[in-house]
Amino acid sequence: NAGVMQNPRHLVRRRGQEARLRCSPMKGHSHVYWYRQLPEEGLKFMVYLQKENIIDESGMPKERFSAEFPKEGPSILRIQQVVRGDSAAYFCASSGPGRENTEAFFGQGTRLTVV
Amino acid sequence: ILNVEQSPQSLHVQEGDSTNFTCSFPSSNFYALHWYRWETAKSPEALFVMTLNGDEKKKGRISATLNTKEGYSYLYIKGSQPEDSATYLCAFHQGAQKLVFGQGTRLTINP
Repeated sequence: NAGVMQNPRHLVRRRGQEARLRCSPMKGHSHVYWYRQLPEEGLKFMVYLQKENIIDESGMPKERFSAEFPKEGPSILRIQQVVRGDSAAYFCASSGPGRENTEAFFGQGTRLTVV
Repeated sequence: ILNVEQSPQSLHVQEGDSTNFTCSFPSSNFYALHWYRWETAKSPEALFVMTLNGDEKKKGRISATLNTKEGYSYLYIKGSQPEDSATYLCAFHQGAQKLVFGQGTRLTINP
């Protein structure tokens, strides 16, 4: 059973370009979380998705950021018109349903650098 | 705003000593409390998921307790070893919604 897969591991974008970060959850997991880690900071919640639904996006910046978790395929975090302040590590985690299955399994993260 | 507070932010402990640190969270609409261990250059890995007030969980030399009524959890490490050096994160799951992490306690074990 493969773990949570994130790609790419490293992504370099010029200011103004778009960044697409992908996350394939563990098999059988229908819940996906995205977090951002800024230098010297912890994990900041961005968005919580279930298949085809955004449950909570209260941590997402209002502009330029969007996320989806389609019925088929990975979850995508999309950042349009990137700026230098978007440079960070982005982690995705997945979990199963039910209160006792909420343990989050993390991917290795995508390190975005905006130049 | 959902605040999850961990203290201390960092901790240096002598090898062989025992230590503990705290996570505080809102006491309303509790669903679950998680503890994770995060080593440098790796991904966070779950230690415990706790759902019931009064829960105590143990894994080797590491244990955790939970008080949902007053909104705190303690993580204990007995007989610290150098390999225990890591950042320990707690995460609060409120009402089956988002999972919010504290800032972490960075633990360094001095040989």
